[in-house]
Amino acid sequence: SYVLTQPPSVSVAPGQTARITCGGNNIGSKSVHWYQQKPGQAPVLVVYDDSDRPSGIPERISGSNSGNTATLTISRVEAGDEADYYCQVWDRSSDQGVFGGGTKLTVL
Amino acid sequence: QLQLQESGPGLVKPSETLSLTCTVSGGSISSSTYYWGWIRQPPGKGLEWIGSIYSSGSRSTYYTPSLKSRVTMSVDTSKNQFSLMLTSVTAADTAVYYCARTATTMFDPWGQGTLVTVSS
Repeated sequence: SYVLTQPPSVSVAPGQTARITCGGNNIGSKSVHWYQQKPGQAPVLVVYDDSDRPSGIPERISGSNSGNTATLTISRVEAGDEADYYCQVWDRSSDQGVFGGGTKLTVL
Repeated sequence: QLQLQESGPGLVKPSETLSLTCTVSGGSISSSTYYWGWIRQPPGKGLEWIGSIYSSGSRSTYYTPSLKSRVTMSVDTSKNQFSLMLTSVTAADTAVYYCARTATTMFDPWGQGTLVTVSS
């Protein structure tokens, strides 16, 4: 089955840029989606189809995808960005939804 | 605005069947564009996709292989609901269960989630 690998944690100071990676075999050929989950809340879609943002998601949050790595980038990080972030793809070869293990973003 | 709400027992005994329902409001579940899915999250752990069901025509279903032998999903368009049944549960099935609309390959929006504890 298809596997997505994320770093368990990323730490960044306020105002800096956070980059969260999601690794997978030839992930650049798939559409990658990113979710933000704050404690006690349901996940919220923040980036879809590699780099598109749903309405209401700030332009500070962006995504890219190439080769074997997709990246979620959060610019000018704020305290309110502290959350768990999950990448997700649909593996068409097996018709399965696949999530990465999640990355905890800590704002120092 | 589409909203989803999970409902069902919060406590299930080991070896019994977990049954949850997701009620959709603000839109019709019969839309031919979407699948409807279930995702779970054990306490302190990550997200696990359980499966997805198509609400029109064929009612096609896709399940994660590790749960496929125990999972059944169904749709009731008259009530604008879809459901999850998981048989022979163990403590490992204790989790927050989320329902979500599957649009192309992404999950959006999500329900608020419901905690199901498996314990005697």
